[in-house]
Amino acid sequence: EAGVAQSPRYKIIEKRQSVAFWCNPISGHATLYWYQQILGQGPKLLIQFQNNGVVDDSQLPKDRFSAERLKGVDSTLKIQPAKLEDSAVYLCASSLQPSTDTQYFGPGTRLTVL
Amino acid sequence: KNEVEQSPQNLTAQEGEFITINCSYSVGISALHWLQQHPGGGIVSLFMLSSGKKKHGRLIATINIQEKHSSLHITASHPRDSAVYICAVRLGGGADGLTFGKGTHLIIQP
Repeated sequence: EAGVAQSPRYKIIEKRQSVAFWCNPISGHATLYWYQQILGQGPKLLIQFQNNGVVDDSQLPKDRFSAERLKGVDSTLKIQPAKLEDSAVYLCASSLQPSTDTQYFGPGTRLTVL
Repeated sequence: KNEVEQSPQNLTAQEGEFITINCSYSVGISALHWLQQHPGGGIVSLFMLSSGKKKHGRLIATINIQEKHSSLHITASHPRDSAVYICAVRLGGGADGLTFGKGTHLIIQP
């Protein structure tokens, strides 16, 4: 079974630029999560999708971050414009169904904002 | 105040030692996860618990719902167990995203 795929693995941009990350969850997984992990901290949930609908985006900085999962499969997370404090690893995870299922994590995208 | 607290933050032990990592949480939860993260690597889910105890190989995870506490044990530790171990909880009330602790950085020396 293929795991959660993410790209790119690394990205370096200057502040005020825009960036987008892509995630392809495990086939058949209805629930998709984006997490932000700042160096030295545990991951923080940014947004959760159930199929193509948003379940929880309470911690997503909506003035600069956006995410979509238009067809209920793969998802993109965008930052526009980026700030220095956005430097982090962005993790995508998926689960078959929410609440009772294990979340499977992708390798993450490491973003450096200069 | 962090909703999920782990201890210790850092742990160095000798190969073969019995390892215990603790996790305490302050809110009602529907499930607790133990995860493993290797340097530069992705996160791997080890256990998901809502009660009692689970065992997989040399790893054992326990949870006490009343005391809001969980422990991860590693028996006969090995250098390949060196990683960051993260406790994460799924809050009650319908929220499904995980709230993470800061992790315990474990180093097992040969």
